[in-house]
Amino acid sequence: EDQVTQSPEALRLQEGESSSLNCSYTVSGLRGLFWYRQDPGKGPEFLFTLYSAGEEKEKERLKATLTKKESFLHITAPKPEDSATYLCAVTEAAGNKLTFGGGTRVLVKP
Amino acid sequence: NAGVTQTPKFRILKIGQSMTLQCTQDMNHNYMYWYRQDPGMGLKLIYYSVGAGITDKGEVPNGYNVSRSTTEDFPLRLELAAPSQTSVYFCASSYDSQMEQFFGPGTRLTVL
Repeated sequence: EDQVTQSPEALRLQEGESSSLNCSYTVSGLRGLFWYRQDPGKGPEFLFTLYSAGEEKEKERLKATLTKKESFLHITAPKPEDSATYLCAVTEAAGNKLTFGGGTRVLVKP
Repeated sequence: NAGVTQTPKFRILKIGQSMTLQCTQDMNHNYMYWYRQDPGMGLKLIYYSVGAGITDKGEVPNGYNVSRSTTEDFPLRLELAAPSQTSVYFCASSYDSQMEQFFGPGTRLTVL
């Protein structure tokens, strides 16, 4: 059974304090790894897709990387508006669906 | 483009009542999904559809039913509401199963 584990569950940062979120996965043949951002009371919003080990993608202060067993979401010099829950999800080669991790709640204090 | 829309936004049901959560997408996506999200948790897949007339169970299908008569609509039916179905429900769609999913704003359901 596919498993996706995110750590830490919660992260409190000072504005400007860079950090990383982890997403570890066990799937039989990774097809894609997705990162989403979710604000309170809203649906998840797509950030990145990574398909192969070594791949990296960036968007503003966020950078996602992928290895064979895990992905990291690096937040560089975060601002209060980066406060959200970040969700990781995977698809396997033979599947039609996403398996989500439990998410990491990030709070950036000014 | 409205994207993925869901109605209602909020609903309170009594135990044993039934209701249908509506989901519509205007992106001509083949794939549609229903998830539930309990407080502080990730999303769990209830049902999904790969095209009109084709549906399949996800991780937590018990107590729910779906149909897909058109590309645009994917309603979720709760027949006999139970307190365990109190949750936030999200509908999503994607062009392909390996591409990003676009989510609706969610329906917050409480069963008392």
